Amino acid sequence: DTEVTQTPKHLVMGMTNKKSLKCEQHMGHRAMYWYKQKAKKPPELMFVYSYEKLSINESVPSRFSPECPNSSLLNLHLHALQPEDSALYLCASRMALGEAFFGQGTRLTVV
Amino acid sequence: QKEVEQNSGPLSVPEGAIASLNCTYSDRGSQSFFWYRQYSGKSPELIMSIYSNGDKEDGRFTAQLNKASQYVSLLIRDSQPSDSATYLCAVKVNTGFQKLVFGTGTRLLVSP
Repeated sequence: DTEVTQTPKHLVMGMTNKKSLKCEQHMGHRAMYWYKQKAKKPPELMFVYSYEKLSINESVPSRFSPECPNSSLLNLHLHALQPEDSALYLCASRMALGEAFFGQGTRLTVV
Repeated sequence: QKEVEQNSGPLSVPEGAIASLNCTYSDRGSQSFFWYRQYSGKSPELIMSIYSNGDKEDGRFTAQLNKASQYVSLLIRDSQPSDSATYLCAVKVNTGFQKLVFGTGTRLLVSP
């Protein structure tokens, strides 16, 4: 089983809203990632959690707040986003030296 | 210099031909290399991983790695229209925090 599950698949939110993206994996992977992908661009790394601790924050604005409640779950809390934050948000997980597997993504539209 | 570089394409090949996709990387300490396929509007799907110099074959796909030249390639034999997608090269860079960096991707078009 190489499944990473992301919810919701689609999200439309206003600039004053607070919402959360969720990611879950049951492969025992100890590294989990959030990526942001704009159209016709490669995935852009936002955050890395290693053993449930934040190990990389790629200078992401504070309106994006990650959380790793346990080894299977990764959340991305969203607040006061801008229209330019509209993108496909991808969660991935991987073993220490192995392959990374992506969830199906959340298509976010900020209005 | 970008950490991972790919020709954006599009690379156009006829059905049944061999498609050759290339990738170079800048971190000489990198040890893990991956190819992902991404259809429009979908998430990246892992198709190959390679860790040692040489070739690795899986069905119609062959990944090639040359660490001395800092070069990774993906060959797709007997290309099918369903192979039309963007192919992303990804490299685990040696920062100690498992950072996976992607190239810009090569768009492959396979014509019937």
